[in-house]
Amino acid sequence: DVKVTQSSRYLVKRTGEKVFLECVQDMDHENMFWYRQDPGLGLRLIYFSYDVKMKEKGDIPEGYSVSREKKERFSLILESASTNQTSMYLCASSLLPLDLDYGYTFGSGTRLTVV
Amino acid sequence: QKEVEQNSGPLSVPEGAIASLNCTYSDRVSQSFFWYRQYSGKSPELIMSIYSNGDKEDGRFTAQLNKASQYVSLLIRDSQPSDSATYLCAFLTGGGNKLTFGTGTQLKVEL
Repeated sequence: DVKVTQSSRYLVKRTGEKVFLECVQDMDHENMFWYRQDPGLGLRLIYFSYDVKMKEKGDIPEGYSVSREKKERFSLILESASTNQTSMYLCASSLLPLDLDYGYTFGSGTRLTVV
Repeated sequence: QKEVEQNSGPLSVPEGAIASLNCTYSDRVSQSFFWYRQYSGKSPELIMSIYSNGDKEDGRFTAQLNKASQYVSLLIRDSQPSDSATYLCAFLTGGGNKLTFGTGTQLKVEL
């Protein structure tokens, strides 16, 4: 089974800090995604990447950047954390094109609190 | 108009009943649809996908797709308390490269 590992389960950071969320997958997937999930708003796509050094903006990229230096690793960066970025962050990966029988595989999530 | 609409619930059903979860979408180009289950505090996990009109069955789960009416549904037969979770509908977009999710329907199966 594909394993998607997010480096931290819980994080507490201060306003203005630069925050790095790391995601690693072990099955050679081309696609990687970062979503945030908030009550009543569902899963919203922040950024995705379909290849090393490639990145595409999702629906809510403001305040975030990403890095994909290696195929297996996709990092989400909060340049200057703000309280409205308190959320559950979910990383996912998939084949390209998407395998319809497997969809995405999600990591276990990082619950980030910005104080 | 949201791209994917789901009733947030909670939808409460008694144990052993059929739970019916519905999702409507606005993008007529969408061809492939997914149902994910998410337990509280956990990440989503794929239940099944559907891309042809009609029904697709997998165990106690049946997905139904009607492209003309732009809706997709998930039926859970013989509902169990362990089915209590939030169910997310998603469709494939972005040239077949990414999923757009609904906000999910919370299902509660009561003893």
